[in-house]
Formats: sequence, C-alpha cells, structure tokens
Amino acid sequence: GAGVSQSPRYKVAKRGQDVALRCDPISGHVSLFWYQQALGQGPEFLTYFQNEAQLDKSGLPSDRFFAERPEGSVSTLKIQRTQQEDSAVYLCASSFRGSGNEQFFGPGTRLTVL
Amino acid sequence: AQSVAQPEDQVNVAEGNPLTVKCTYSVSGNPYLFWYVQYPNRGLQFLLKYITGDNLVKGSYGFEAEFNKSQTSFHLKKPSALVSDSALYFCAVRVRGYQKVTFGTGTKLQVIP
Repeated sequence: GAGVSQSPRYKVAKRGQDVALRCDPISGHVSLFWYQQALGQGPEFLTYFQNEAQLDKSGLPSDRFFAERPEGSVSTLKIQRTQQEDSAVYLCASSFRGSGNEQFFGPGTRLTVL
Repeated sequence: AQSVAQPEDQVNVAEGNPLTVKCTYSVSGNPYLFWYVQYPNRGLQFLLKYITGDNLVKGSYGFEAEFNKSQTSFHLKKPSALVSDSALYFCAVRVRGYQKVTFGTGTKLQVIP
C-alpha cells in the first residue's frame, strides 16, 4: 500500500553537472507525470507517460531535460548541464489510466543548483 | 490552451466560520476540475473532482466545490473551518481526452483560532 516515492529528496548540484531524479509510482498505475514546482508557484507540467510510452513531453523546458520509463514502472528525469534556473521541486505523480482520474503525488525532489 | 486562475494568494478565516477558496478556469473542450491540498513538507493530496453530473461535488475532510459552467468557476467551500485546514490549496483543470493538467498558483488558507 505504499504511495509514490521519489529519490533523492534533496539534491544539490553545481552548475553544469548532470542529475537524475527517480520516481517509483504506485503499483498498477499506468499513467505517470512529472512536474516542476518553483517557489510560490503551482506545479508546471513537464511530461506524461502511459506505461513505457512518453505521450506528451510538451512541458520540458529545453533539450537538457530528458525523461524515461523503460519498463512502464519506475521513471527517471534527467537534467543535463544544470543551470541555476533549474532549481525547483520536481514532483512525480501517478494515476490509473483516464483523464478523469486523480493523481497521487510523491513528496518531490528539491533540486538546488549552485 | 487551458489555464486556471486563483485570484487570492491568501485567505484568512476564523475557526468555525465558512470558507471559500476561489478558482476560475479557461479551456477549449469539456473540463475536468480538481482540488488538491499541500501541507508543509508533504506532497499534494487529492481533495475532490468534478467530472460530470451533479454540479456540487463533495470530497475529503468535509470540503465541497460547485462547478459553474456559465461563470467557468469551481470554488472550494467548507461550512465550518478548522485550524487543521490551514494549508496551500491548488485548483487544477484537464480537458477530457487529454492528459496535461494545468494547476493554479495556489491559495494559502489560514484558519485563525
């Protein structure tokens, strides 16, 4: 009965470093989402997976951002050559298939780029 | 394009009084509307949703929301506020058949004892 988990919870990176953020969704949830939440703002959609297929990546801010979900379960969000403006909380959410279903969110990974 | 507006950054209400947190939306198509709550140092939690049918929906912890198509609003309400309701509330919209969810900027609810 575990919820969505994310690791690490906190990540400090030097500008220019690559980072990888992991999301473990709820078992059986077909849909998986990544969001970026800046301080004082609402979550901003980054990308969506249905099983292993990335069906929408319209929210990824640049080609430095890359997400994958190779076996349709665990997902990784990778940010290459991090910049200070990448500092934010990255949220992962999962749900059953269907746009009417609510999402279950993980606790987030707080990324700070120095 | 779809968007959500939460016009109040903060709402203050006395414990025991009714509360309203406002949300308006703009979509092309039939909307699905959601409210989520975020407690400090915790992830977002689902409160309630409107998909179809009855315009008044009831959710967790005694919260309810009314879908108003003509005013494109989905205000969150509770008849009697508790101090423990103090948190950050987000309204979100999705278009039927699409997966992208758009969130508002959030409203901080402060319930004063």
